[in-house]
Amino acid sequence: GENVEQHPSTLSVQEGDSAVIKCTYSDSASNYFPWYKQELGKRPQLIIDIRSNVGEKKDQRIAVTLNKTAKHFSLHITETQPEDSAVYFCAASNGLTGGGNKLTFGTGTQLKVEL
Amino acid sequence: DTGVSQDPRHKITKRGQNVTFRCDPISEHNRLYWYRQTLGQGPEFLTYFQNEAQLEKSRLLSDRFSAERPKGSFSTLEIQRTEQGDSAMYLCASSPTGGGQPQHFGDGTRLSIL
Repeated sequence: GENVEQHPSTLSVQEGDSAVIKCTYSDSASNYFPWYKQELGKRPQLIIDIRSNVGEKKDQRIAVTLNKTAKHFSLHITETQPEDSAVYFCAASNGLTGGGNKLTFGTGTQLKVEL
Repeated sequence: DTGVSQDPRHKITKRGQNVTFRCDPISEHNRLYWYRQTLGQGPEFLTYFQNEAQLEKSRLLSDRFSAERPKGSFSTLEIQRTEQGDSAMYLCASSPTGGGQPQHFGDGTRLSIL
């Protein structure tokens, strides 16, 4: 089955700096890669996703890049703000060949944005 | 609010008791997923439904676990003879049919086994 590794496990940045979180996946058939933000005691919230037919996607301060050859994808947050502090999870799924789109998650990155 | 809703939010029970959780997905979503999340970990897939059909179950889902979605709308997850290791957050998510569709999560049910 799919295995997703995520690094770093904790990340501390100064407000206004950029943050980068990296994930690798094992199943070359995976084709959908969402990122979720989870604040303490709350639901995972989808913040951005990318499909395997594109290499990069951007939404305001958030961007995701995908390298299918190397089987890794990254989350980039620019101009970080204190409200970006949370745990971020990457995930991967294979939804086009009967996999049902079940998500395999990484172990999470605790991002702390310091004033 | 038309998001995914779960009930109850918290459940405390004694070891050996049975528990049942409910999930109401976003109304137009045909797919419904159950995940389990333990402290410091990402959610782990348990099972999913396409309408009323349960199409896949994880090996994590032992014989003590059963899930249903009888009318293709809400779903229930039952755990029989609960064990200490069942303590976790049980998350429900829903999505439209089709590959690469975004899954939206509920707030989860936190289960604590005494």
